[in-house]
Amino acid sequence: IAGITQAPTSQILAAGRRMTLRCTQDMRHNAMYWYRQDLGLGLRLIHYSNTAGTTGKGEVPDGYSVSRANTDDFPLTLASAVPSQTSVYFCASSDTSGGAGDTQYFGPGTRLTVL
Amino acid sequence: GQNIDQPTEMTATEGAIVQINCTYQTSGFNGLFWYQQHAGEAPTFLSYNVLDGLEEKGRFSSFLSRSKGYSYLLLKELQMKDSASYLCAVRDGDYQLIWGAGTKLIIKP
Repeated sequence: IAGITQAPTSQILAAGRRMTLRCTQDMRHNAMYWYRQDLGLGLRLIHYSNTAGTTGKGEVPDGYSVSRANTDDFPLTLASAVPSQTSVYFCASSDTSGGAGDTQYFGPGTRLTVL
Repeated sequence: GQNIDQPTEMTATEGAIVQINCTYQTSGFNGLFWYQQHAGEAPTFLSYNVLDGLEEKGRFSSFLSRSKGYSYLLLKELQMKDSASYLCAVRDGDYQLIWGAGTKLIIKP
């Protein structure tokens, strides 16, 4: 693994189903983030984690949950998917060392369609 | 409130120069980032500014004026591969970023 990986690459999901999007990084970054990107709206932060064991809510957290059991993994769960959660989901990480060191690096994304 | 404004779309000619502007209104300021995002791909880091002035990196330069809440990304010697969206993002305090909606840059031969 080099950088950040996400799985699955894409998924079609029936409304009401539970879904977990996986994110793993091998850069030993402290902070991790989940975004959704919708046309015309840019990146919106769903949840974040500044360090293993802690999480926080972003701009659009409703309907999503996260956990951060260790440094490398940051899964995002949709408990009961709804069509408005159709989007492209990006996971990102940063090392929180300050300045340009806080640059966020992105995974390849998961394209999710909820029908 | 927190707000970042960028033009939605710009068109430029191969070999030319283009300037993409970004204005921001945030409760705090702790750095401004520019990212490039090709269609269907993830954003990739281009530049970082925290002090006023120009940062140059090859064909790309980024400028910041904190007093005006303004930044621009300058792309020189445009190539077809520069066709992408360019995202401006501000860190207003903690580690989270506030993102603009992005500027889609179309390069014509």
